[in-house]
Amino acid sequence: AQSVTQLDSHVSVSEGTPVLLRCNYSSSYSPSLFWYVQHPNKGLQLLLKYTSAATLVKGINGFEAEFKKSETSFHLTKPSAHMSDAAEYFCVVFEGGGADGLTFGKGTHLIIQP
Amino acid sequence: DAGVTQSPTHLIKTRGQQVTLRCSPKSGHDTVSWYQQALGQGPQFIFQYYEEEERQRGNFPDRFSGHQFPNYSSELNVNALLLGDSALYLCASSRTGHTEAFFGQGTRLTVV
Repeated sequence: AQSVTQLDSHVSVSEGTPVLLRCNYSSSYSPSLFWYVQHPNKGLQLLLKYTSAATLVKGINGFEAEFKKSETSFHLTKPSAHMSDAAEYFCVVFEGGGADGLTFGKGTHLIIQP
Repeated sequence: DAGVTQSPTHLIKTRGQQVTLRCSPKSGHDTVSWYQQALGQGPQFIFQYYEEEERQRGNFPDRFSGHQFPNYSSELNVNALLLGDSALYLCASSRTGHTEAFFGQGTRLTVV
């Protein structure tokens, strides 16, 4: 069975400083992993995806994530936060093989301080 | 490309009523999935439709049913509404064989 744990429910950083959103996963297979962002009253937008190619994945808006199988982690980072990054971020796992769709973490609320 | 579109954007229903939500997938996509997102939670998988059949189902009761039409659009039906069904309902579309899913903006359902 697949599952996702987002280690922080809220993260607050100052504008221009680095962002780190932490995610651990559990999967019986080699999973695909994703990060989605949700701005208030908006749908979900795909930031990046890992599908067993390069372990360092680059996404949109300067975000990137590193797949570490030994640590079962897929942390999301950005070198310099912007006010527009304030949103809810979801780590998502999909292991295929008849698994029940995408499994989402509970989300991390990113707050950007001016 | 209009992306994934959902209707209506908001609606209010009374306990015990029935509701139908609609979704048009992104152009070129043939698979539609539905998710329920309760306030402050991550989305939870309800079911997935492909070739007009339910292919996978999450842990939701039979009150939740769906349909996919020949043009790949889809409906989610919920019968005998409960207060706990109040949530944002998200539709996602994808192409068979591809894991990447695109989401609509959702339908906010409030049950009173």
